[in-house]
Parts: sequence; C-alpha cells; structure tokens
Amino acid sequence: KQEVTQIPAALSVPEGENLVLNCSFTDSAIYNLQWFRQDPGKGLTSLLLIQSSQREQTSGRLNASLDKSSGRSTLYIAASQPGDSATYLCAVHTGNQFYFGTGTSLTVIP
Amino acid sequence: GAGVSQSPSNKVTEKGKDVELRCDPISGHTALYWYRQRLGQGLEFLIYFQGNSAPDKSGLPSDRFSAERTGESVSTLTIQRTQQEDSAVYLCASSRDRGRNEAFFGQGTRLTVV
Repeated sequence: KQEVTQIPAALSVPEGENLVLNCSFTDSAIYNLQWFRQDPGKGLTSLLLIQSSQREQTSGRLNASLDKSSGRSTLYIAASQPGDSATYLCAVHTGNQFYFGTGTSLTVIP
Repeated sequence: GAGVSQSPSNKVTEKGKDVELRCDPISGHTALYWYRQRLGQGLEFLIYFQGNSAPDKSGLPSDRFSAERTGESVSTLTIQRTQQEDSAVYLCASSRDRGRNEAFFGQGTRLTVV
C-alpha cells in the first residue's frame, strides 16, 4: 500500500525567507503528484500538479520537483509571505485514488 | 459552475438518523472522489467514480455508507444510522479524467452527529 510522508510536520519562518517542504512516497508507480494547501476550516486548494514523466513545475513563487525513482518531491516557496500560512499537503495519484501525506503546517511570521 | 460545489456546508444530525451529502463536480469532469477528514487527522479515501460507475469503493468504512452518481454529474453520499464516529468533514473532488489531470476539491460538508 502506498504511504506518503511529509517532513517537517510544522514549520515557522520569518517573512521573506525561502523554504522547502518535503514529501516522500513508498511506491513509485504513480500517475502524478499534486500539492495542495488547506486553510483552517476550508477545503483544499490545488497549487501544482506534476505528471509522473515530469521533473518539475513552477507557478509564481512556487516550484515543485519530482524524483519518482527515489519517491520524493519537494515544494519550494520563495520569499514567503504571511498569506502563505496554511497546511500544505502532497498527494500521489495511483489510478483510482489520491494518497495524502499528513501535511506540513506552515506559519510565516510578519 | 466555476468549481466543485458541496451541500450542505454544515449538517448536525442525531445519532441513528440517515444523512445525504451532495457533490456537484465541475462540468465535464468524469472522475469524482469522496474523502473524509476527521478533526486533526488526514484525508481518508472513501470512493472513486469514473462516469457513473464506481471502480473503487474500497474506502467505504461500512455498509452504512453508500454513494451514487447520476448523469456523469451530481454525486450523493448517504450515511445510514449515523454514529458519532461519522462526525467529520466530507470532501468531494473532481478531475477531467482519472490520473492525468488536476483535481479540484469542494469546500466540504462538516457533519456533526450528536
């Protein structure tokens, strides 16, 4: 069974810092990997989708990389802002479902 | 609509009652997923629809849970004889096709069983 782990579980940084969130998964047979953010009491907002054949995707201040063979993905956030404070979830799609990590709770201090 | 819509947004029900949760996916999205998130916990997969068929319902926790989808559109998740452990946020997501496309989530239905 696919297992997804996210490190760190929580992160607190001052505004303006660059940061990296890590995601690892146990089975490399994936269709894609998607990063989401979840704000308290809200649903999930899609940030980036990386297909299994891709190495990275960029959107604004966000850059996600994928190393399928080693079962790893990273989400890089440049010049962090207080509005980036949220829980970040990675999810791998194996055909019929997404397997989610437990998330990284990010706090950006003004 | 512009996004995935779920209703109701909040539901409080008495233990033992049946509840029905609704999901309106993005138009044209053939794949639809239901997930559950208990307070402070991760997302649990419940069921996946491709069109009106459910090739994977392995996450439904008991026979009190059922789901259907009609017209390759609206889906309903029904929980019979609700229990307190059913209290959670129920999230629905849709994508244009399975596996290859970005999935979008609704805002969820917060179910509280008292």
